[in-house]
Amino acid sequence: GESVGLHLPTLSVQEGDNSIINCAYSNSASDYFIWYKQESGKGPQFIIDIRSNMDKRQGQRVTVLLNKTVKHLSLQIAATQPGDSAVYFCAESDNYGQNFVFGPGTRLSVLP
Amino acid sequence: ETGVTQSPTHLIKTRGQQVTLRCSSQSGHNTVSWYQQALGQGPQFIFQYYREEENGRGNFPPRFSGLQFPNYSSELNVNALELDDSALYLCASSSEGGDEQYFGPGTRLTVT
Repeated sequence: GESVGLHLPTLSVQEGDNSIINCAYSNSASDYFIWYKQESGKGPQFIIDIRSNMDKRQGQRVTVLLNKTVKHLSLQIAATQPGDSAVYFCAESDNYGQNFVFGPGTRLSVLP
Repeated sequence: ETGVTQSPTHLIKTRGQQVTLRCSSQSGHNTVSWYQQALGQGPQFIFQYYREEENGRGNFPPRFSGLQFPNYSSELNVNALELDDSALYLCASSSEGGDEQYFGPGTRLTVT
């Protein structure tokens, strides 16, 4: 079936640097994408979303970029902080927010 | 916190037994989705309930079933438990027409 995957399973960055987490998706019909952050022992936490009619969306310290041509999604975190350490998942949906397909996740470690 | 609660937090069952997990959705949300998250993997969509009716289902066998009640709380039932059912079970609620899903902390199920 359709799947969402990640290029890098782990990412280590220095505190204060920018982080970029990548995600490849295979379902060309996907029209809605979400980035989630999951800390140990907690459920996924919504970070930012983007619809397929956009290619960029910015939030507080985060930016999501969508390249539909190559089916690629990225999450940029500016001035990475220790509290950003977590596992990050991208998720896609082709059915108005139903049946989300999650990728396997990328662990972000912020070094002091 | 998202306002989505799940019970119990942890559960240990024996292979072949049945289990019921519970979820209370965020106030005002009438849609609940259930996910299974195996260790080190992304959440896998089980099914979604909208106004007490199943509204989409992932690739899970019929022994995974659910209910949604008039107050929009929900149950996930799993019959004939197998060792591979050991996972974190997450529920997420969303509002009508809303795509953003708010996750609960999950129930950790261990099958021995």
